Amino acid sequence: ETGVTQSPTHLIKTRGQQVTLRCSSQSGHNTVSWYQQALGQGPQFIFQYYREEENGRGNFPPRFSGLQFPNYSSELNVNALELDDSALYLCASSLRRAQETQYFGPGTRLLVL
Amino acid sequence: AQSVTQLDSQVPVFEEAPVELRCNYSSSVSVYLFWYVQYPNQGLQLLLKYLSGSTLVKGINGFEAEFNKSQTSFHLRKPSVHISDTAEYFCAVSDGGAQKLVFGQGTRLTINP
Repeated sequence: ETGVTQSPTHLIKTRGQQVTLRCSSQSGHNTVSWYQQALGQGPQFIFQYYREEENGRGNFPPRFSGLQFPNYSSELNVNALELDDSALYLCASSLRRAQETQYFGPGTRLLVL
Repeated sequence: AQSVTQLDSQVPVFEEAPVELRCNYSSSVSVYLFWYVQYPNQGLQLLLKYLSGSTLVKGINGFEAEFNKSQTSFHLRKPSVHISDTAEYFCAVSDGGAQKLVFGQGTRLTINP
């Protein structure tokens, strides 16, 4: 059974640029959630996708957007990067019920200069 | 709105000593509670979760947690820690309707030989 994978592992961008992060969900899972983890902080919920539609969003501006594909993989796009966007971005896949465990990938570490 | 408070940012203990990591939550609805562990440069791994039923929950690697509704707490315990338990531990809550996880700030567990 393949777990959650994310690419790339590390990324360096400059302020104002755009970035796309990718996530492959665990086999059989239909829901993907994205979290931002700033240094020394707990993860914060960005949004969730279920069957290719956004299914809940945290307190993040519209320049954070996402996609989910028919195979349930997902992308996180961030436009107009700001220095504060530097963080570890975590993807989690699950089945769509609140009691289901979310399985996390290793994350993509983004540095914005 | 839900929130999670982890009462200790760092907990140093000696190897083979017992440990307790404290977590308090606030929510106006029924909740599901989780403890995740994050090893250096890795994603999050589920240790255990409370959904309903018995208030004492056993997880992986010898960890257990007790749900206390009156004190809105979900403390994590291990009777004897090992060097390999050195990691960051996160308490999280989700409500019964949504799958969004709200995390605490994390507790860094350091094991001294």
